[in-house]
Amino acid sequence: DQQVKQNSPSLSVQEGRISILNCDYTNSMFDYFLWYKKYPAEGPTFLISISSIKDKNEDGRFTVFLNKSAKHLSLHIVPSQPGDSAVYFCAASPTNFGNEKLTFGTGTRLTIIP
Amino acid sequence: GAGVSQSPSNKVTEKGKDVELRCDPISGHTALYWYRQRLGQGLEFLIYFQGNSAPDKSGLPSDRFSAERTGESVSTLTIQRTQQEDSAVYLCASSLAPGVSYNEQFFGPGTRLTVL
Repeated sequence: DQQVKQNSPSLSVQEGRISILNCDYTNSMFDYFLWYKKYPAEGPTFLISISSIKDKNEDGRFTVFLNKSAKHLSLHIVPSQPGDSAVYFCAASPTNFGNEKLTFGTGTRLTIIP
Repeated sequence: GAGVSQSPSNKVTEKGKDVELRCDPISGHTALYWYRQRLGQGLEFLIYFQGNSAPDKSGLPSDRFSAERTGESVSTLTIQRTQQEDSAVYLCASSLAPGVSYNEQFFGPGTRLTVL
């Protein structure tokens, strides 16, 4: 039972354009959402997060949008740069304190075309 | 400062053998998590340690899997009688103690386990 879903295994975007990565979840108990970025042979690194009390969080070129009613979130990267090429994982947690074990999606491989 | 380290980086073993994977968390991080990523899958939670509390073992897939943590430092994940379906990248993460705001989990580079 995949509680966090990333339906696009890969995405290619021209450098300078906007990259939009999508994520859907099914568990209504999730109230904290994160995006991780992963390069080959490295562990995932935290990128940006959002609490369920918000619908948008922005950090530089990265913005995460949350639509609770649709159980959907998205990551926007603008402008996209070659160094953004990586696998992006969406993750969710049922709480933002206590045991913060994460449920991950299967990832989207983003390729930025120079 | 040093990040999360894991050893070995790669491990190839024969079906039926036992393996031990090691994680050194960031100093001062009392929370430690083990995840695994099988080919084509997302990261899957295995076990969580926080200080001296009883660990959350709810993600361990079978009784062949166990993990220990020495105080608030090193952790070892042991897989007994390995099976081919245990082949995966095993990732360790650490964070500050859970509190009123989210604490980022810092991941190690992982151990790639291949069971022949």
